[in-house]
Amino acid sequence: AAGVIQSPRHLIKEKRETATLKCYPIPRHDTVYWYQQGPGQDPQFLISFYEKMQSDKGSIPDRFSAQQFSDYHSELNMSSLELGDSALYFCASSLPGQGIYGYTFGSGTRLTVV
Amino acid sequence: GNSVTQMEGPVTLSEEAFLTINCTYTATGYPSLFWYVQYPGEGLQLLLKATKADDKGSNKGFEATYRKETTSFHLEKGSVQVSDSAVYFCALSEMDSNYQLIWGAGTKLIIKP
Repeated sequence: AAGVIQSPRHLIKEKRETATLKCYPIPRHDTVYWYQQGPGQDPQFLISFYEKMQSDKGSIPDRFSAQQFSDYHSELNMSSLELGDSALYFCASSLPGQGIYGYTFGSGTRLTVV
Repeated sequence: GNSVTQMEGPVTLSEEAFLTINCTYTATGYPSLFWYVQYPGEGLQLLLKATKADDKGSNKGFEATYRKETTSFHLEKGSVQVSDSAVYFCALSEMDSNYQLIWGAGTKLIIKP
C-alpha cells in the first residue's frame, strides 16, 4: 500500500544555509501535517494544510515556510539554518475529515546542521 | 489546554513479562486517543486508537481502553518480546484543534532476553 513519502531521508547542511524538505501524502489524502522531533523529544507540531490552504500553525519559526501544491504534496522551506534545527522532520497525511482516526506518518527527514 | 501525561521511562522488562504504560490526558472536548510506536531509527507508526469512551484499541497484542471517568488510556501487553523495544507515545487529537496531535513525552521500552 502507498505510504507517505518524504525526501530526502537524510540531509546535512551548514549554518545559515537553506533546506527544502518534501512530503508526498498518500493518494486522496488532502491534509498534511509537519512535525519536528528533536533528539529524545516528543514531536512538535509545526504547520498543517488542508486543500492547499494553511489550516493551522504551531511552533514554526519565522525562518521556516511551507506550502501545499495542487497535487497535494507539501514542501517545508527552512532558511538561515541554525544548529538547533537539527532534528527529525515528519510529515503526516489524512483523508478529509478523518483526522479523528489518526494519520499516517512518513519515515521522516533527518536534518543535521553543522 | 489539552495535554497528555505518560509514565517516564525507560521501562525495562524481561521477555514474556506483562507490560503497562500509563497514560492520562486532559481535554476540553471529546478527543480521540492514540498510541504511536517509534522503533529505533524509524518513523512514527500508529499502534492503536480509540475514538470514544469505552472503546478498546488493539493491535499486535497491545491493548488500550479509553476510560473517560479516569481520563486514561493505558497501554498493556500480556507478554512482551525483544522486538517490542521502542519508544511509545500516547497522543490525543480533537476536532476543535484541527486534529493536531498532542503528544505525551514518550516512554522508552527496553525488553531484555
